[in-house]
Amino acid sequence: QVHLEQSGAEVKKPGASVKVSCKASVSPFSNSWMHWVRQAPGQGLEWMAVVSPRGDYTVYSQKLQGRLSVTRETSTTTMYMELSSLRSEDTAVYYCVKDNSVSGMGWWFDPWGQGTLVTVSS
Amino acid sequence: SSELTQDPAVSVALGQTVRITCQGDSLRSYYASWYQQKSGQAPLLVIYAKDNRPSGIPDRFSGSSSGNTASLTITGAQAEDEADYYCNCRDSSVNQWVFGGGTRLTVL
Repeated sequence: QVHLEQSGAEVKKPGASVKVSCKASVSPFSNSWMHWVRQAPGQGLEWMAVVSPRGDYTVYSQKLQGRLSVTRETSTTTMYMELSSLRSEDTAVYYCVKDNSVSGMGWWFDPWGQGTLVTVSS
Repeated sequence: SSELTQDPAVSVALGQTVRITCQGDSLRSYYASWYQQKSGQAPLLVIYAKDNRPSGIPDRFSGSSSGNTASLTITGAQAEDEADYYCNCRDSSVNQWVFGGGTRLTVL
């Protein structure tokens, strides 16, 4: 069973960048696609990005394309999410989550990291 | 369209059955997955691949799908089922994943 451990809360000023890490406990991480999802206070879930097992292919949400970068280190089973040019509306809890899929049956997200609160405030 | 539509709020009497729906064009191509989120917690997968439950999810949770609509049914709702529920699906037309806006379930 994979456990995802994320880095701690961050407070950033508008215009700055933030980098959040997500470390997987066991080896299926190296064979797994991984996603980032965020949730602004009192709002719903928003899908952000997916990255391939070796980190050589990423898809970003159209909304965040250009400001978002997702990378991963297979040697350390760690994934990173970096969001630049932060604005107040980027204040949210950011989750890393493991992708699961079966051909013809769709995709699902499990397990989820515990979440990292990023606060953007001047 | 890359949108999934859910009713914002639904209520159910304790022990009764409730259905939470999710509508969107992408559901014609792929099955939805469903997530339960309680206040202050990370989301939890409750249904995947149309009608499969992860280990540990009570069998009162079930899923179904028809056309552009996916449904999550709770048969015999319990007080602990009070939470926000989100559907999710991949939209292959834009190669993105999308969540529904969420449904807040109140157990009366």
